[in-house]
Amino acid sequence: ETGVTQSPTHLIKTRGQQVTLRCSSQSGHNTVSWYQQALGQGPQFIFQYYREEENGRGNFPPRFSGLQFPNYSSELNVNALELDDSALYLCASSPRGALGYEQYFGPGTRLTVT
Amino acid sequence: GQNIDQPTEMTATEGAIVQINCTYQTSGFNGLFWYQQHAGEAPTFLSYNVLDGLEEKGRFSSFLSRSKGYSYLLLKELQMKDSASYLCAVGLSGGYNKLIFGAGTRLAVHP
Repeated sequence: ETGVTQSPTHLIKTRGQQVTLRCSSQSGHNTVSWYQQALGQGPQFIFQYYREEENGRGNFPPRFSGLQFPNYSSELNVNALELDDSALYLCASSPRGALGYEQYFGPGTRLTVT
Repeated sequence: GQNIDQPTEMTATEGAIVQINCTYQTSGFNGLFWYQQHAGEAPTFLSYNVLDGLEEKGRFSSFLSRSKGYSYLLLKELQMKDSASYLCAVGLSGGYNKLIFGAGTRLAVHP
């Protein structure tokens, strides 16, 4: 059974640019959540996707957007990057209706904005 | 609003017992979760409490009091590999599965 994978592992972007992060969910999991984790902080919920539609969103501006594909993989897009967007971006997959503990996290993408 | 508090850092000795406390005030509650996160790695699930009381799983135990908005994670027979951040998180219901995390407690285990 393949776990949650994310790409790329590390990324450096310049302020104002756009970035796309990718996540492949664990086999059999149809729900994907994205979290932002700043250094020394806990993960902050960005949004969740189920059946290719956004299914809940945290306190993030519209320049954070996402997609889910028919194979349940997902993308996180961030436009007009700001320095404060530098963080570890975590993707977590889960079966539909699962409780939180069934969220399996990927290794994350470390984004640095200069 | 949502608020989850836990100590920033703790230190302990190998072989000892340590208790990491977490208090929460959230709108909605669908369980209290503890995750372990080693530096540079993804969080991994440790425990889940939805009813009051103690849940034991090997060297790790977790306690919940919903009336007090309080939980703790108890680690026994500490090992060096237990040095990590421990994240307390509250699950919120409402049609989707969302976790609200605390800032995490960085535990350093010394010989």
